[in-house]
Amino acid sequence: EDQVTQSPEALRLQEGESSSLNCSYTVSGLRGLFWYRQDPGKGPEFLFTLYSAGEEKEKERLKATLTKKESFLHITAPKPEDSATYLCAVHTNTGGFKTIFGAGTRLFVKA
Amino acid sequence: ETGVTQSPTHLIKTRGQQVTLRCSSQSGHNTVSWYQQALGQGPQFIFQYYREEENGRGNFPPRFSGLQFPNYSSELNVNALELDDSALYLCASSRQFSYEQYFGPGTRLTVT
Repeated sequence: EDQVTQSPEALRLQEGESSSLNCSYTVSGLRGLFWYRQDPGKGPEFLFTLYSAGEEKEKERLKATLTKKESFLHITAPKPEDSATYLCAVHTNTGGFKTIFGAGTRLFVKA
Repeated sequence: ETGVTQSPTHLIKTRGQQVTLRCSSQSGHNTVSWYQQALGQGPQFIFQYYREEENGRGNFPPRFSGLQFPNYSSELNVNALELDDSALYLCASSRQFSYEQYFGPGTRLTVT
């Protein structure tokens, strides 16, 4: 069965304390892995797309990496404004288009 | 470039009623997907429309149905509302052949 698991469920960091969020997946016919940021009461905001193992993408303090079984979102020297829920999703086109999201990691960054 | 918009923002319905939610795609996007997000959970894929036809569906019953119009706007219809249908409903649009989806702000549906 296709599934996406994110860990940890919640992460509390001090400002400047770097860390990583994990997204492990089991899916047939992977068409891409995506990271989103979601603030409370708002729709997810697109961050990165990764298509193949070994690929890396960076944006400001965030860096996403992909292997054949998991993806990591590395946060370097986070700031309080990085506090949000980070969602991982995979797209598959096997048997029709389908998107599977993980439950997310809630990140809290304290000043 | 105009982003994805959804209406209404909030809605309260009674169990057994029907509801229609609306979405306008981002400029230049011709594919739209709908998601249900319960509190504290990730979005659950309902279905996707491309060229006015459904081309993918998640594990939702037939009482969840949709439409896409020639201008790429879309509707989500839910019949016979149940209490568990209370959630944030998200619409996302993307360009043809792209899997990068851009989300609207959502419609908060409460079923009492």
